[in-house]
Amino acid sequence: AQTVTQSQPEMSVQEAETVTLSCTYDTSENNYYLFWYKQPPSRQMILVIRQEAYKQQNATENRFSVNFQKAAKSFSLKISDSQLGDTAMYFCASDSGGSNYKLTFGKGTLLTVNP
Amino acid sequence: GAVVSQHPSWVICKSGTSVKIECRSLDFQATTMFWYRQFPKQSLMLMATSNEGSKATYEQGVEKDKFLINHASLTLSTLTVTSAHPEDSSFYICSAGPLAGVAYEQYFGPGTRLTVT
Repeated sequence: AQTVTQSQPEMSVQEAETVTLSCTYDTSENNYYLFWYKQPPSRQMILVIRQEAYKQQNATENRFSVNFQKAAKSFSLKISDSQLGDTAMYFCASDSGGSNYKLTFGKGTLLTVNP
Repeated sequence: GAVVSQHPSWVICKSGTSVKIECRSLDFQATTMFWYRQFPKQSLMLMATSNEGSKATYEQGVEKDKFLINHASLTLSTLTVTSAHPEDSSFYICSAGPLAGVAYEQYFGPGTRLTVT
């Protein structure tokens, strides 16, 4: 069974600063995807960034980037120039590989951006 | 594009009654949809995988006779909570995808808050 671990239940950062959220996972698959999702107070799940395991290059999306360490099964999210709108729950997730596309989520990290 | 809707967004029902939640893919066809349950301040737990035209696959510990899933068309999946009880009160989220030929991603609905009194 897949597991995803987020060891930081809550974090806070000052506006315009940088913060890193941690995630580790365990899988026996060779080909899989990793994701960071954001869930603001509206509770709508929003994809932040996606990483394909077979790609060594770390994914980036504007202010969001990941540090993907495949051997260590680590997948951290860095948010640069934090904005008030980044305040949300952040979930790390992995898929199960193969063709059934099931996602396993970590417990989440509540990020608060302070003005 | 790739919008998923859910209806209703919030429902209150009495204990012992059944309630149906709809999940629709508005601008794409979804052969696979997923149903999740989320308790307050907790993560998403996958309940079942819904495949168009076939029986749903339930995760271990999920009562398939209590949570009936029907995926009768490529744009609609429904979750019926039968004989609901207060412990079934939760936030239910559906997702659909991935889309063939598009970078792999599931698209999430806005969720349905169920309160059983």
